[in-house]
Amino acid sequence: DAGVTQSPTHLIKTRGQHVTLRCSPISGHKSVSWYQQVLGQGPQFIFQYYEKEERGRGNFPDRFSARQFPNYSSELNVNALLLGDSALYLCASSRQGGRSPGATNEKLFFGSGTQLSVL
Amino acid sequence: AQTVTQSQPEMSVQEAETVTLSCTYDTSENNYYLFWYKQPPSRQMILVIRQEAYKQQNATENRFSVNFQKAAKSFSLKISDSQLGDTAMYFCAFIRATGTASKLTFGTGTRLQVTL
Repeated sequence: DAGVTQSPTHLIKTRGQHVTLRCSPISGHKSVSWYQQVLGQGPQFIFQYYEKEERGRGNFPDRFSARQFPNYSSELNVNALLLGDSALYLCASSRQGGRSPGATNEKLFFGSGTQLSVL
Repeated sequence: AQTVTQSQPEMSVQEAETVTLSCTYDTSENNYYLFWYKQPPSRQMILVIRQEAYKQQNATENRFSVNFQKAAKSFSLKISDSQLGDTAMYFCAFIRATGTASKLTFGTGTRLQVTL
């Protein structure tokens, strides 16, 4: 089976532009999460979606938005790009997304990320 | 809020030797899970090992084991018989047992270099 796939792998934008990043989860996985990893730091949680509904949001401005489609793939959108948005954006998928008790420990499978550079 | 601290930015170990990576965390939660993830140059985060806070027994996965000290809020990773393929960034991570399932809190990472 294919793993979590993200596109594009690399992207260069200029300040003020808009960007859309895409993620396809592992087949059978209904939950997708997005993380931002700035150089030299650990990933930071941005969003989680399960069954097309937002299940959680991290401490990011409203310029960041996401959605999940009926096939469980997801898009992360960032408006009005800033230099500080330059980072590796990681997508992770899991089967349930914490829907049942004790499920918060279910295994997350990460993609290889999209490297975004804002100039 | 939870915080995870990794105080060793870089570590080096010779092939076949043993190395220990340190991690401390701060939380008011009683039920939670701890993880070690590996991030090789391919950038993909790979789960190495997982520990449930309610279990006293330390988790073990082949050459990888943890020393979980709940009272001290410490969670170190021991890699035995280090291999060149272990060269990577290692991240310690925390998640609450309740709430948003995928909201992992990561440390800043330790870069491990395995040398010949």
